[in-house]
Amino acid sequence: AQSVTQPDIHITVSEGASLELRCNYSYGATPYLFWYVQSPGQGLQLLLKYFSGDTLVQGIKGFEAEFKRSQSSFNLRKPSVHWSDAAEYFCAVGDTNAGKSTFGDGTTLTVKP
Amino acid sequence: NAGVTQTPKFRVLKTGQSMTLLCAQDMNHEYMYWYRQDPGMGLRLIHYSVGEGTTAKGEVPDGYNVSRLKKQNFLLGLESAAPSQTSVYFCASSTGPTQYFGPGTRLLVL
Repeated sequence: AQSVTQPDIHITVSEGASLELRCNYSYGATPYLFWYVQSPGQGLQLLLKYFSGDTLVQGIKGFEAEFKRSQSSFNLRKPSVHWSDAAEYFCAVGDTNAGKSTFGDGTTLTVKP
Repeated sequence: NAGVTQTPKFRVLKTGQSMTLLCAQDMNHEYMYWYRQDPGMGLRLIHYSVGEGTTAKGEVPDGYNVSRLKKQNFLLGLESAAPSQTSVYFCASSTGPTQYFGPGTRLLVL
């Protein structure tokens, strides 16, 4: 069965600092991988996705993620964090069967002024 | 183009009451999903549908029923609500791996 682990429940960074959110997955084949962001009281917004090809993918809001098959990881990065990036971030692995996704438990990002 | 919409946005129920949550999408997507989100946890799949007239169980289906009578609508029913069903419910739709989410329904069961 597929699974997703986000090891960091909560991360605090200073505004302008770099950010890396970790995601490890378990999946039997080549996975479809996603990162979503959720602001308080809001739905989920897709940041980026990886299906195949270039292992470094660019997303919205200046985010990028790198797929590393050997480490079963799909870490999210941003070079310089803005206060508006404070939110909860979810990594997900997608099933080829009907597009079902399995989500990690999320990482809450706090941005210090 | 509204995308995925959910009705209602918020609801309070008493234990034992029933209710139906409505999800509607205008993107002509084949697949639709219901998830629940609880504090400290990601989204967990309740039920899903791969097309009009079909439904299937997800990870946490107990206590819920669904129906997909029209392609654009996916209904989630609680026949006898329990406090454990207090949660935020998200609907999503897709044509493939990428899902598009609605804004959520907050349900409080007292």
